[in-house]
Order: sequence, then C-alpha cells, then structure tokens
Amino acid sequence: AQTVTQSQPEMSVQEAETVTLSCTYDTSENNYYLFWYKQPPSRQMILVIRQEAYKQQNATENRFSVNFQKAAKSFSLKISDSQLGDTAMYFCAFIDFQGAQKLVFGQGTRLTINP
Amino acid sequence: NAGVTQTPKFQVLKTGQSMTLQCAQDMNHNSMYWYRQDPGMGLRLIYYSASEGTTDKGEVPNGYNVSRLNKREFSLRLESAAPSQTSVYFCASSEQGRDTQYFGPGTRLTVL
Repeated sequence: AQTVTQSQPEMSVQEAETVTLSCTYDTSENNYYLFWYKQPPSRQMILVIRQEAYKQQNATENRFSVNFQKAAKSFSLKISDSQLGDTAMYFCAFIDFQGAQKLVFGQGTRLTINP
Repeated sequence: NAGVTQTPKFQVLKTGQSMTLQCAQDMNHNSMYWYRQDPGMGLRLIYYSASEGTTDKGEVPNGYNVSRLNKREFSLRLESAAPSQTSVYFCASSEQGRDTQYFGPGTRLTVL
C-alpha cells in the first residue's frame, strides 16, 4: 500500500525566512503525481504545487518550489521569503496512475510564520 | 464559477440521527470524493465516484452511504450517526481519477 510520511509535525520560522517541509512516500509504481496542499485556519484545502513523477524538472510556483528525488522517494517543499499568510497546515499527498487512483495524504506539518 | 460547494457548513447531531451532506461542483469534473479529517491526521477517503453512475469504497466506508445523483452532485449519508463520526468532512472533485483534486470548504459535524 502507498504511504506518505511527513516527519515534522510542527515548524516555526520568522517572516521573510526560507523554510523547507519534508515528505517521503512509498510506492512500487513508476507513474504518479505528488502534491502539496495548504490548509489555513479557514479550513479550506488549497493546492500549492503539483509534480509529475515522469518530469525530471522540479515544479515551481512563485515562492514555492519542490525538491523531487524520485529514487529516494522524497518530495520536499521550499517556501522562500515566507509571509504571515503562509501560516497553515501543509499536507503532502500522492496519487498513482494504476489501481483505484486514490489520493493518499500525509499527516501534515503545522507551519507558523512569526512577525 | 463557485468550484466545489458543500452544505451545511456546521451540523450537530444526536447519536442515532441521520443526515445527508450535500456536495456539488460546477467544473464539469467526472470524479468526486468524500474525505474525513480527524485531529492530528491527514484526510482519509470515505467513498469516491470515478464517473457518473459509479461509486466505490475508500479507506473508511463503514457507517456511510453515498449517491452520485448526477455529474454535478455527490451526497454522503449517515444513516445512524455515532460519536466516532464526529469529524470535518470534505468533498472534492477532479477531471479524471488521477488529476488534481479541488476541495470544498468542509462540513464540521459533531455527534453527541
């Protein structure tokens, strides 16, 4: 079964700093997507970034970028120039192209940006 | 374009009561999902519908039923609510099964 592990339950940084959130996953599949979702106090689940496993180039979205290491099954999220509005729970998630194609979530990292 | 909408936003039930959570999407997506989120945990899949007319069990289906009413709507029913079903429920949709899922705002359900 596929699993997603986020080893950092909580993180805290100062505004404008760079922070990296870790995620590892386990799968025997070769084709899949990886995601980072953000859940602010409003509870809404918001897509931050998506990475296709067949692409070697790391995905970027403005201040958000990933470090995708397929062989190591690692998918970390880097937030540059962090802002107060980045304060949220961040979930790593995985979906494969075979079988039931179900989205599997990690347990989340609570990120606090301090002024 | 409202995306994914859910009703109600909050609900309190007594043990044994029944209720239906409603979900609708206006993105013409084929696949729809119901998740629950408990404290300290990520989202867990309850049921999903890969396409109109089909539904399948997810990771935690016990105590729930679903109906894919049409392409837009996917409802979740609790026939006899239990305190263990106290949770936040999210509906999501995607164009196809492996595509990006977009989430509704969630329903906070408390069962006393």
